[in-house]
Amino acid sequence: GAGVSQSPSNKVTEKGKDVELRCDPISGHTALYWYRQSLGQGLEFLIYFQGNSAPDKSGLPSDRFSAERTGGSVSTLTIQRTQQEDSAVYLCASSKRLYYGYTFGSGTRLTVV
Amino acid sequence: EDQVTQSPEALRLQEGESSSLNCSYTVSGLRGLFWYRQDPGKGPEFLFTLYSAGEEKEKERLKATLTKKESFLHITAPKPEDSATYLCAAAYSGAGSYQLTFGKGTKLSVIP
Repeated sequence: GAGVSQSPSNKVTEKGKDVELRCDPISGHTALYWYRQSLGQGLEFLIYFQGNSAPDKSGLPSDRFSAERTGGSVSTLTIQRTQQEDSAVYLCASSKRLYYGYTFGSGTRLTVV
Repeated sequence: EDQVTQSPEALRLQEGESSSLNCSYTVSGLRGLFWYRQDPGKGPEFLFTLYSAGEEKEKERLKATLTKKESFLHITAPKPEDSATYLCAAAYSGAGSYQLTFGKGTKLSVIP
């Protein structure tokens, strides 16, 4: 597609439920990133995928967070047993190569009640 | 600790009143300094990447410059449609060099 697509755009969930967030990167972009943006905070790195290499999961805040990327394209970020502190905008980005401008999606706004 | 700090946090300008936004960084082995624009409810929109001190890039009313310690985003004769939050981010060598470390942004308001 022309841009990075994320779904859903908004998600309200009850504390303790699991959620899945989807990212469809730009075709041909081998690198895919997930960031989290909380109110009043800068963007926080979560996870990075590059081609078929093992992902860098060093930014995931707890073992309740996981992500996968299928076929080098679509990625899913899963949050298990959601907590209120997980409420944030989750942004996905893709790029052709390192240190090249990332293209971000519009994000998924997650609200845990 | 590697850090990216933006100032001011918020800036109000009259239409046509030029100004600059600052991004200071304390990272080792800078690989790239990025500027993004973010409108409410949207993801950041890529503006520029600067790779070495002395480099400058321009796009319409925006000009980004880079020194060894900071980057400036100069806005010349801004218009109301330039109102947005401007983010800078640094990529640097070391573990996770592909990660971008973001500042908290400068919220720019341009008043007609």
